[in-house]
Amino acid sequence: DAGITQSPRYKITETGRQVTLMCHQTWSHSYMFWYRQDLGHGLRLIYYSAAADITDKGEVPDGYVVSRSKTENFPLTLESATRSQTSVYFCASSESDDRAQHFGDGTRLSIL
Amino acid sequence: QQQVKQSPQSLIVQKGGISIINCAYENTAFDYFPWYQQFPGKGPALLIAIRPDVSEKKEGRFTISFNKSAKQFSLHIMDSQPGDSATYFCAALYRGSTLGRLYFGRGTQLTVWP
Repeated sequence: DAGITQSPRYKITETGRQVTLMCHQTWSHSYMFWYRQDLGHGLRLIYYSAAADITDKGEVPDGYVVSRSKTENFPLTLESATRSQTSVYFCASSESDDRAQHFGDGTRLSIL
Repeated sequence: QQQVKQSPQSLIVQKGGISIINCAYENTAFDYFPWYQQFPGKGPALLIAIRPDVSEKKEGRFTISFNKSAKQFSLHIMDSQPGDSATYFCAALYRGSTLGRLYFGRGTQLTVWP
């Protein structure tokens, strides 16, 4: 089925570990986004991408790395996880910057 | 610095009433203003959106009012229903020298009592 899927849905890990969150979309949308959602902060943009191999930082990029070698995939890596990165992470995609962003159901990440 | 300020943080409305959520911004370069609805355990979904050359947009029970001079916009939900209970986010699009991106408000948790 067409859509945007995130994996895993839930993840528990320890501080200092590397973690990769996966995002896959089947619409061939150009734009893809990573957000984190925390109580009291709403949705904050981590990184985004307008096409394969074109990415840019959002509001809270520190400690995160992204890549986009294929249009349909946009993985997010926490190189050395910290407790402050405990959050719900959402991936989204859109046809262009002024079209609807379609969100996945999120990954709930806990860092102990 | 918060680019889009949203209020109230939470809202309780009786079934059949009108729910009103407000947002304000400072950056006049914003040129697209969407509202997103989010249910627990799900990602946000686009509800309705407006461009700054229009003062009002209506889709069913949902209306955006936009005041360009005041740099404010609001979401009105008429005849609010328990199924409207969700978190609502306003957002604004900025296209600078880099890629276009949305700035989100912090969200309003709406509860509609039956």
